[in-house]
Amino acid sequence: AQSVSQHNHHVILSEAASLELGCNYSYGGTVNLFWYVQYPGQHLQLLLKYFSGDPLVKGIKGFEAEFIKSKFSFNLRKPSVQWRDTAECFCAVSDTGRRALTFGSGTRLQVQP
Amino acid sequence: SAVISQKPSRDICQRGTSLTIQCQVDSQVTMMFWYRQQPGQSLTLIATANQGSEATYESGFVIDKFPISRPNLTFSTLTVSNMSPEDSSIYLCSGGSGMNTGELFFGEGSRLTVL
Repeated sequence: AQSVSQHNHHVILSEAASLELGCNYSYGGTVNLFWYVQYPGQHLQLLLKYFSGDPLVKGIKGFEAEFIKSKFSFNLRKPSVQWRDTAECFCAVSDTGRRALTFGSGTRLQVQP
Repeated sequence: SAVISQKPSRDICQRGTSLTIQCQVDSQVTMMFWYRQQPGQSLTLIATANQGSEATYESGFVIDKFPISRPNLTFSTLTVSNMSPEDSSIYLCSGGSGMNTGELFFGEGSRLTVL
């Protein structure tokens, strides 16, 4: 079975600070990897995804993530966060056969102006 | 992309009653799933809604408690039966096209409070 670990439960940053949120998964096969974000009062939205090719993927709103297969990791980064980035961030994984996503526990990102 | 609408968006229910949540997608999707997000926690998959056949349930979830229907490619319902306060949660419908990217789209969720 797949599992996803997010080690940062609550991250508080000041505006313009750099962000890195950790995500590790456990599954030995080929996976698709995702970061979803949930802004206050809104539905889940896709930030970015990886399924093949360049392990460094760029998403919306300046976010990027790097897939490191040897470390089973897919960390989310942003060089300079903004107050509007305050949200709950979820890492998720699916294998290429089963389309359902397995989610991590989520990281509450709080950016202070 | 797909836009997913759920109703009700929220409800307050009495213990022992049942509630049906409806999910409507604005385009045909191959895959539909129901998730639960308990307060302060992540999303847990309840089941895969299969068109025209019985849903596929994850460990810990059973059809008697969470009956699901999916009569066509754009509509599904989830019923939470014989509710208890432990069922208080946000229930989310999601759908995907089945293309190899595996991306899922989510509704805004139905927030249920059971008294």
